[in-house]
This record gives sequence, structure tokens and C-alpha cells, in this order.
Amino acid sequence: GAGVSQTPSNKVTEKGKYVELRCDPISGHTALYWYRQSLGQGPEFLIYFQGTGAADDSGLPNDRFFAVRPEGSVSTLKIQRTERGDSAVYLCASSWGQGVSPLHFGNGTRLTVT
Amino acid sequence: AQTVTQSQPEMSVQEAETVTLSCTYDTSESDYYLFWYKQPPSRQMILVIRQEAYKQQNATENRFSVNFQKAAKSFSLKISDSQLGDAAMYFCAYRSASGKYGNKLVFGAGTILRVKS
Repeated sequence: GAGVSQTPSNKVTEKGKYVELRCDPISGHTALYWYRQSLGQGPEFLIYFQGTGAADDSGLPNDRFFAVRPEGSVSTLKIQRTERGDSAVYLCASSWGQGVSPLHFGNGTRLTVT
Repeated sequence: AQTVTQSQPEMSVQEAETVTLSCTYDTSESDYYLFWYKQPPSRQMILVIRQEAYKQQNATENRFSVNFQKAAKSFSLKISDSQLGDAAMYFCAYRSASGKYGNKLVFGAGTILRVKS
């Protein structure tokens, strides 16, 4: 079956612009996670959805970052007024909602803010 | 808050040899899970091996095994008979057993593994 799909694969934007990053999880996975990975670093947790609701958004760095998952499937990470420091790879992962189940990761979106 | 530390930014190993990657973590919890993930240049994170903290037996998956020392909060990965395809970034990760965090992972900074032919 299809894995986690993230689009676009790469995104270049100018400082101050708005961007949206999309994640299509594995069908049936109720849990969805966003991570940010800066160059040479490990992924840092941003937000976790269980179904349509954000169960844990403690990792969002500030109010310029927002994520939605309106129908409990596709999720969009939205970044307003982008800054050069937002440049990173944004990874999405999904899993079954119950119990300990492995996270399945997408290939990420590399965001470059110029 | 839990933290994961990987003190080796980069390691090299000769093909067919054995290499060990180090990881330590800090937590006040007694029940948790530990993972090693591999990230090749494609950026996709691939699960290598997983260890439940309540199990004393070290996990093994073919050429990959771990040395889990709960008291020392240490979780190293041993790769035997290294292959060129093992070259990648390796991340150690921690997951709380508390259901309120879902399957949220805390990652270390990673170790780049280079395999020489």
C-alpha cells in the first residue's frame, strides 16, 4: 500500500511569505505527527493529531505555525510570515491510534526561506 | 522532560566489520520504549529496532542488536557485518509509555555512519 506522502518535496519561499505543507497519511491511520528537522539535527516534535483534533501542540514554536486536519486524514502545516530560521525539513508521520504502533514517516518537505 | 543524547556526531566502519553507536537518555519514567531509526539521503526515517524498557532481554533484528542498560540509561546499537547500504544517519529515540502522548518520539541529534569498502 501507499506510504505517507508529503507535498511539495521542496519549497523555496521569500522571507515574510505564507506557506502550506501537506501530508497524506497511510489510510486508516488515526494518529498524525509533524516534526521539524534542522540541518544536522534530529527531528523535533511540533504537533500530534488524534483524528481531527490536535492532541498535543506543545512543540509549535510560536503563533506563526498552525496545523489542521479537518477530516481526520490529510493534514496541512501552515507557516505565516516565514523567517529564515524556519528553513528545515518538515517531516510527517502517521500511526495507528491505539497502543504502541510504529510511526511511518514520509520523505519530508525541505523548506528554504530566502 | 525527556532528553536523548548521541555523543558521536560521526562514525566510520569498514565493510563486514562491527560498529557500535551510543545513546543515553534521561527520564523519570519507569516504563517507556526506545528506538533506533535510520535516515538515508532520501530523508525517510526507517525503523531499525525497538526495545521495551520492561524487557530485560536485548532486542535483535538480524545484523542489528542493542545493549540496553536501564540503570545507566544507555541504549547502544551494534551493527554486525556492516554493509555499504548501512551508511546513513542513525537516530536514537524515546517514547513514553503513557498513552497521553500517543506515539510521540523524542529524538537525539543523530550519528552519521560511513561504511568504507
